[in-house]
Amino acid sequence: NAGVMQNPRHLVRRRGQEARLRCSPMKGHSHVYWYRQLPEEGLKFMVYLQKENIIDESGMPKERFSAEFPKEGPSILRIQQVVRGDSAAYFCASSPDENYGYTFGSGTRLTVV
Amino acid sequence: TQLLEQSPQFLSIQEGENLTVYCNSSSVFSSLQWYRQEPGEGPVLLVTVVTGGEVKKLKRLTFQFGDARKDSSLHITAAQPGDTGLYLCAGVHAGGTSYGKLTFGQGTILTVHP
Repeated sequence: NAGVMQNPRHLVRRRGQEARLRCSPMKGHSHVYWYRQLPEEGLKFMVYLQKENIIDESGMPKERFSAEFPKEGPSILRIQQVVRGDSAAYFCASSPDENYGYTFGSGTRLTVV
Repeated sequence: TQLLEQSPQFLSIQEGENLTVYCNSSSVFSSLQWYRQEPGEGPVLLVTVVTGGEVKKLKRLTFQFGDARKDSSLHITAAQPGDTGLYLCAGVHAGGTSYGKLTFGQGTILTVHP
């Protein structure tokens, strides 16, 4: 899905390091969603953001995880002090408003060693 | 919490067979979306159904939204090896502070053998 750009595609971190995942939504899309996927499972909602606002972060762990969508630049999902259980594929999606289907990026595959 | 139960979890069939994937919930959704995901890629939207009882066709794929907007089905006619992939249903929450947030089913891994 060339429209939503996620980077990096693959990220390896040692336990205790920080992981930063970036997402540039499609042009004109102001709604950004982050989801996490374990192998051969569905996607679990993490956080929903609009420009400079967190709308819903009910799916995000209270500790070590944070997300932002600044006025300028990509949305960032930040995981501090990563643990092995954080290893997963993290997908970003964007939409022009709540009534449209999502466009997903290709994901960032985080491996914690 | 609005949950979506998707079945079957795994489906292995021969080319030319028909199949149906089900997505059920005890809650009402304002709409339901179906996605297909290839290995190593993000999900791609196939269809959105909005009205209870709605039926949409996309070539050999037929999507239906239940009258009560609690369930949906995906039917594939004459499956082909190119249909192999992970199929996901997702419900759109309505109202509250998180309108537009999607809840996903756990997915159906479809394998179509030549």
